Amino acid sequence: GAVVSQHPSRVICKSGTSVKIECRSLDFQATTMFWYRQFPKQSLMLMATSNEGSKATYEQGVEKDKFLINHASLTLSTLTVTSAHPEDSSFYICSARASGSLSSYEQYFGPGTRLTVT
Amino acid sequence: LAKTTQPISMDSYEGQEVNITCSHNNIATNDYITWYQQFPSQGPRFIIQGYKTKVTNEVASLFIPADRKSSTLSLPRVSLSDTAVYYCLVGDSAAGRRALTFGSGTRLQVQP
Repeated sequence: GAVVSQHPSRVICKSGTSVKIECRSLDFQATTMFWYRQFPKQSLMLMATSNEGSKATYEQGVEKDKFLINHASLTLSTLTVTSAHPEDSSFYICSARASGSLSSYEQYFGPGTRLTVT
Repeated sequence: LAKTTQPISMDSYEGQEVNITCSHNNIATNDYITWYQQFPSQGPRFIIQGYKTKVTNEVASLFIPADRKSSTLSLPRVSLSDTAVYYCLVGDSAAGRRALTFGSGTRLQVQP
């Protein structure tokens, strides 16, 4: 089946530094990838939609200058949390939609990245 | 996107059948119903999807009444490893480019 990986799986960084999270589709091409954030005991909240070769679309309330998204190839999207603060500590999950697929369930989720900002 | 309502939590014992019902009164004609499972500190995993009547796979069954305003995910003979959060999602399959909108989910706790 389709596999999506994320790297790193967990990261601890100091307040004020930047952290890059990678999302890769391992065995399929993904023109669209989605980035979600999940706080403890809460549901997934969509942050942005990443389209290969174009600018990402951010959800209301998500700062595009703080959460930089780059989707440079059909298999890789990156999320960079710039000038991270403790309130950015969360579980970040990406999903990838296979190119050409029409079914809504054909989105495959990565294992998530646990970010802790100290 | 149609809003969904699920119980916040459910408890069960190993070997029992668990039925989780989701309400989606405003479901549209083109909407499909999809269920995901999420373990702690992991990404969601697709379980099953349906449009009407009944769908069954190796993991679960999905029952959808004729009016499609609700759906029931049925997990046969649950085990401890089925302890997870289960999300019901409703959306237009043809618009698969959109992100999935997750509701609050149902936290299932299976006890020995």
